[in-house]
Amino acid sequence: SQKIEQNSEALNIQEGKTATLTCNYTNYSPAYLQWYRQDPGRGPVFLLLIRENEKEKRKERLKVTFDTTLKQSLFHITASQPADSATYLCALDDQAGTALIFGKGTTLSVSS
Amino acid sequence: DVKVTQSSRYLVKRTGEKVFLECVQDMDHENMFWYRQDPGLGLRLIYFSYDVKMKEKGDIPEGYSVSREKKERFSLILESASTNQTSMYLCAIRSRSGGLNEQFFGPGTRLTVL
Repeated sequence: SQKIEQNSEALNIQEGKTATLTCNYTNYSPAYLQWYRQDPGRGPVFLLLIRENEKEKRKERLKVTFDTTLKQSLFHITASQPADSATYLCALDDQAGTALIFGKGTTLSVSS
Repeated sequence: DVKVTQSSRYLVKRTGEKVFLECVQDMDHENMFWYRQDPGLGLRLIYFSYDVKMKEKGDIPEGYSVSREKKERFSLILESASTNQTSMYLCAIRSRSGGLNEQFFGPGTRLTVL
């Protein structure tokens, strides 16, 4: 079965630095991979989707890369701010293409 | 904007009670999902539905059932609540058409079973 891992439970960085979060997956070749943000006590909110034929995607201060050879996606937040503090989840489709499988998330804390 | 609403933000029930969690969407999306989220375990899929009266088991369906009588409404039912069902429950929707691949989540229901 597919497995998706976010290899850091928590990441602490200083304001202004770049945060880099990692998502690895096995036993599957997804057509695309997604990233979500979740604030405490709230539902996840979609941020970005990157397709298998896209190496990189950007949205404002966010950048996502997708390496299908390494089976890895990196999620970067540049010029990080305390308001970026949240849990970030990566997700990919199950093999039937009907439901998303989520990683357990990385909790980012940005200190001023 | 897509809107997904859940019937309660917080709910406290007693062991053995029958519990209904309701999810309503304001779009015409086919796919609806119920997840539970627990510390250290992440989001786990309980059930999903891809059309009215259609349902599929997810990874952890035991102790739960679902109902989808109308397209906009997807209910999760705990037949006899137990303390290990204390959790955050999240509903999500997704469209199968138009290339919309992301999921939209409701605000969640924090259920405590005493």
